[in-house]
Amino acid sequence: AQKITQTQPGMFVQEKEAVTLDCTYDTSDQSYGLFWYKQPSSGEMIFLIYQGSYDEQNATEGRYSLNFQKARKSANLVISASQLGDSAMYFCAMREGRDSSYKLIFGSGTRLLVRP
Amino acid sequence: GAVVSQHPSRVICKSGTSVKIECRSLDFQATTMFWYRQFPKQSLMLMATSNEGSKATYEQGVEKDKFLINHASLTLSTLTVTSAHPEDSSFYICSARGVMDTEAFFGQGTRLTVV
Repeated sequence: AQKITQTQPGMFVQEKEAVTLDCTYDTSDQSYGLFWYKQPSSGEMIFLIYQGSYDEQNATEGRYSLNFQKARKSANLVISASQLGDSAMYFCAMREGRDSSYKLIFGSGTRLLVRP
Repeated sequence: GAVVSQHPSRVICKSGTSVKIECRSLDFQATTMFWYRQFPKQSLMLMATSNEGSKATYEQGVEKDKFLINHASLTLSTLTVTSAHPEDSSFYICSARGVMDTEAFFGQGTRLTVV
């Protein structure tokens, strides 16, 4: 069974508008972490935001916020005031447990295109 | 944030040769590093977990004799693709665990083409 599901293969957004990228996850662990990464065409993985399973507040980092709904097992990324440079692939990832292995499981990604 | 440097960024090699990819944590000690493989337009698939001073842990289906991983120091892990074949052509990317559990930093990736 897929652990991380991103149902939007591609998304368009108008410059300066907000966009939500969906992510749902599946785990039986009580302790886990959720990440969002941006991957431009150059290939590097850029860390955007992190949400811990015990964090009560939704994470925010500048124009990025994470809409964490634990009961629904969703961790959607909201990008406000989209910029042309936001065009890229976006991956949701999960770390299960708190052991030292710290493996990340990635979703299939969403390609975001910001229109001028 | 912390810096993870991966080299080379691109490499083309002939079938049958071996290629070494380096992953360095520049400003922190990484006891654990991870190697991922990414096929075009697909997600990252974890290949192995590399622990300093011990043998790497490979994911199911990954040939340990094909993809040799060495983690000799707290700042360097290497992935060697042995006897490379065209089907090994892919994007390989490493990551390193930071000091905090909230951190996971990636290298720039290596695009390997085997001809």
